[in-house]
Amino acid sequence: AQSVSQHNHHVILSEAASLELGCNYSYGGTVNLFWYVQYPGQHLQLLLKYFSGDPLVKGIKGFEAEFIKSKFSFNLRKPSVQWSDTAEYFCAVRGGYSTLTFGKGTMLLVSP
Amino acid sequence: KAGVTQTPRYLIKTRGQQVTLSCSPISGHRSVSWYQQTPGQGLQFLFEYFSETQRNKGNFPGRFSGRQFSNSRSEMNVSTLELGDSALYLCASSWRVGQEETQYFGPGTRLLVL
Repeated sequence: AQSVSQHNHHVILSEAASLELGCNYSYGGTVNLFWYVQYPGQHLQLLLKYFSGDPLVKGIKGFEAEFIKSKFSFNLRKPSVQWSDTAEYFCAVRGGYSTLTFGKGTMLLVSP
Repeated sequence: KAGVTQTPRYLIKTRGQQVTLSCSPISGHRSVSWYQQTPGQGLQFLFEYFSETQRNKGNFPGRFSGRQFSNSRSEMNVSTLELGDSALYLCASSWRVGQEETQYFGPGTRLLVL
């Protein structure tokens, strides 16, 4: 069975700091990888996704993620966070034709 | 295209009652999945429907059921509600091409069981 682990439950940063949220998954075959974001009071939105090809994927709002197959990782990065990035971030994986499995989420608080 | 819509947005029920939640997928999407989101457990998969057939089912008791109609709209039902069923119920629709599939989520229905 596939599983997803997000390294941090809570992250607090100051504006302009760099962000890296860790995500590791377990699945031996081909995977689809996703990062979703849930802003306060809003619904879950897709930030970026990886299916195949270039392991460095760019998403909306300046976010990017790198798929490292050998490490089973798909870490999310942003060079300079803003107060508006305060939200909960979810990593998700689908292995083969299975269902989507989510990590427990990382709550990011950006202080102005 | 309009996004995924869910009704109602908020619901208050008492223990023992039953509830039906509705989801309308993005036009053209034939797959609908349901999730339960709680602060302690995060997002947990309930079930997935494709062309009116349940394709996958999560580890939830039989009190949780669902169905999909010919127009791809989906409903989920929870019978004999328990306090622990209080949660945000999310619906997602998707379109699969080979092994590539992206789910798009609705705003959710927040259920409070008293």
